[in-house]
Amino acid sequence: QSVLTQPPSVSAAPGQRVTISCSGSSSNVGNNFVSWYQQLPGSAPKLLIYDNNMRPSGIPVRFSGSKSGTSATLGITGLQTGDEADYYCGTWDSSLSVYVFGTGTKVTVL
Amino acid sequence: QVQLVQSGAEVKKPGSSVKVSCKASGGTFSSYAIKWVRQAPGQGLEWMGGLIPIFNTGNYAQKFQGRITVTADESTSTVYMELSSLRPEDTAVYYCARAGGRVGVVILDHWGQGTLVTVSS
Repeated sequence: QSVLTQPPSVSAAPGQRVTISCSGSSSNVGNNFVSWYQQLPGSAPKLLIYDNNMRPSGIPVRFSGSKSGTSATLGITGLQTGDEADYYCGTWDSSLSVYVFGTGTKVTVL
Repeated sequence: QVQLVQSGAEVKKPGSSVKVSCKASGGTFSSYAIKWVRQAPGQGLEWMGGLIPIFNTGNYAQKFQGRITVTADESTSTVYMELSSLRPEDTAVYYCARAGGRVGVVILDHWGQGTLVTVSS
């Protein structure tokens, strides 16, 4: 079982905003950089956010990341049908010496 | 443009081994770590471990120690992941991913397309 907890699902209408939380501990989120990955149905994961709040080239500004203490948050504004996917947070766990992923959150556009 | 292309789907018997390949192109192969992540049907992502080709020494999650071996062939820019003593619960899609970023920070910035491994008698 994952050491990073995410809500199973979030939903909103097109154009609205959603946020996804990622709750961990001092051995992972609290003291390491967090990344976020988007997994479209039937596809491989794709890097969305790294270093807590940085977007790789080509990722729209609609996607944002933040971190406070032992929790991180992914925000998606101007929600589009193409954003329907599973989203995972990920970071190194210094106690377990392993990279850990969140439980995953399914985003549904109503 | 970095690309990771994996080998095709496999069907294996319990107790056997599987070897999945991940061929890299478009980047500096030797200096970036290649990691392996798996995803069981309908489940989340699970870290397995990997290596930096230039060092060719694997680093694995405790759960897979003794069953996993990751190797690299620099001449073909290919990394291989072999998992032995397969059991039905090893049925999953296996992904390779490049760990970009910097020392001490893992950023999985490029992913392979995935390889489905089915373990069934």
